[in-house]
Amino acid sequence: QSVLTQPPSASGTPGQRVTISCSGSSSNIGSNTVNWYQQLPGTAPKLLIYSNNQRPSGVPDRFSGSKSGTSASLAISGLQSEDEADYYCATWDGSLNGSYVFGTGTKVTVL
Amino acid sequence: QVQLVESGGGLVKPGGSLRLSCAASGFTFSDYYMSWIRQAPGKGLEWVSYISSSGSTIYYADSVKGRFTISRDNAKNSLYLQMNSLRAEDTAVFYCARGHDYGGIAFDYWGQGTLVTVSS
Repeated sequence: QSVLTQPPSASGTPGQRVTISCSGSSSNIGSNTVNWYQQLPGTAPKLLIYSNNQRPSGVPDRFSGSKSGTSASLAISGLQSEDEADYYCATWDGSLNGSYVFGTGTKVTVL
Repeated sequence: QVQLVESGGGLVKPGGSLRLSCAASGFTFSDYYMSWIRQAPGKGLEWVSYISSSGSTIYYADSVKGRFTISRDNAKNSLYLQMNSLRAEDTAVFYCARGHDYGGIAFDYWGQGTLVTVSS
C-alpha cells in the first residue's frame, strides 16, 4: 500500500477548478520535492509538475502544484474534457532506503 | 526526440525468469538516472528500481529486492531488468523512465511499457 494518500476520485464540469490532495509524512513530502504525473486512458504516464510547482515545457499553465508541510496539491483550473485522466503524486522517501513512492492515484472525471 | 522502447515482456510461469530491455535514443543516455516502474492491471503506479547514470548507485523496492536486478550498458544506450523467482503479483506493465535531476529526481520521459504476465 502506498505511503502517499490521494482521494480516489474528483470531478468537475468544463471550466471549473478541481483540486487533488496528496498526504504524506515527514520522511517523504516533508523532506523532498513533489512531482505529479498524468496518465491518460491507455497511455504511459506523463510528468505534469516537478519540484512542487514547476511545469515542464508544453504543460498548460492551468495545471499548478503546491506543497505545504507533509501535504501537496494539484489544481486544474479551467477544466477541459481532455483532462479526464488518472493523476499521481510522487516523491522520494528517506525512510525506505532510497525508495520513490507514488500516491494512490486520483481519477478525474469531466462531467 | 527522446525515445524509450521497452521489450522482453511476455507470459512466464510462477518461479520463472524474464529479462526486460529498454532501448534509449535522442539523448545522452550516460548522463541520466534510469528507473523501472510498473503498473498491475487496473492498479496504480509502483516504483520498482533505480540506477544512477554510472550504475554505481542502485535501489530496489522491498517487493522485488533479492529477485530483480537492474543494470545498464551506457555503450549500448540500454537499460535492463533481470527478473527471477517471478510471482503472480509481479504481473504488470513495466515502464522504463528517465530520471531528470531538477534538484530532486522526476521521471520526465517514459516508454510505452511492456506487459509481463506471471501465470501457470
